[in-house]
Amino acid sequence: DTAVSQTPKYLVTQMGNDKSIKCEQNLGHDTMYWYKQDSKKFLKIMFSYNNKELIINETVPNRFSPKSPDKAHLNLHINSLELGDSAVYFCASSQEASGTPDTQYFGPGTRLTVL
Amino acid sequence: QKEVEQDPGPLSVPEGAIVSLNCTYSNSAFQYFMWYRQYSRKGPELLMYTYSSGNKEDGRFTAQVDKSSKYISLFIRDSQPSDSATYLCAMSNTGGFKTIFGAGTRLFVKA
Repeated sequence: DTAVSQTPKYLVTQMGNDKSIKCEQNLGHDTMYWYKQDSKKFLKIMFSYNNKELIINETVPNRFSPKSPDKAHLNLHINSLELGDSAVYFCASSQEASGTPDTQYFGPGTRLTVL
Repeated sequence: QKEVEQDPGPLSVPEGAIVSLNCTYSNSAFQYFMWYRQYSRKGPELLMYTYSSGNKEDGRFTAQVDKSSKYISLFIRDSQPSDSATYLCAMSNTGGFKTIFGAGTRLFVKA
């Protein structure tokens, strides 16, 4: 009964490869996010989707393409992987409601290592 | 200048100590102020949030916001080894989809 799940948990791949990370939430939330957390633990938003529509794209390279087939899923595809893409990628979801912040529920993370 | 500044630590304290974690920010439009806790190799989880200025208490945790100084704090009383984690402050505008996170402070509570 995991609220936000991600697969895979670990991903080791060579430079230049293309890979995907999947995210699913069973909370009924309208908004989903992708974050990148670097080795210094700095958590930075990459994308935000609301009702399957892209809301925020934080100057992420075009090699990163999110896809939201429905409100419960937000996948991240990465082309031509580079060494600097090595990080932990977190998916999150939230339900915006009047008078409360967009409290986000995070998945367990996908640790990507590019060799 | 980053929108949110947070000392990454690490901060090491003995069990039972009072811990003070802080963040400063530059964007006066922020209305919601949050603290997330992240255990090693896990995703962040929301500890508590405060709207605008003031204090909020939840058990051993107290969050304070001083909007005039653009300064927020999290106090942990009677700290326990299980409190050892990274604490991230986070802020957002009213109704916004974008939350800005601080760099996180690593806390170690020694038994």
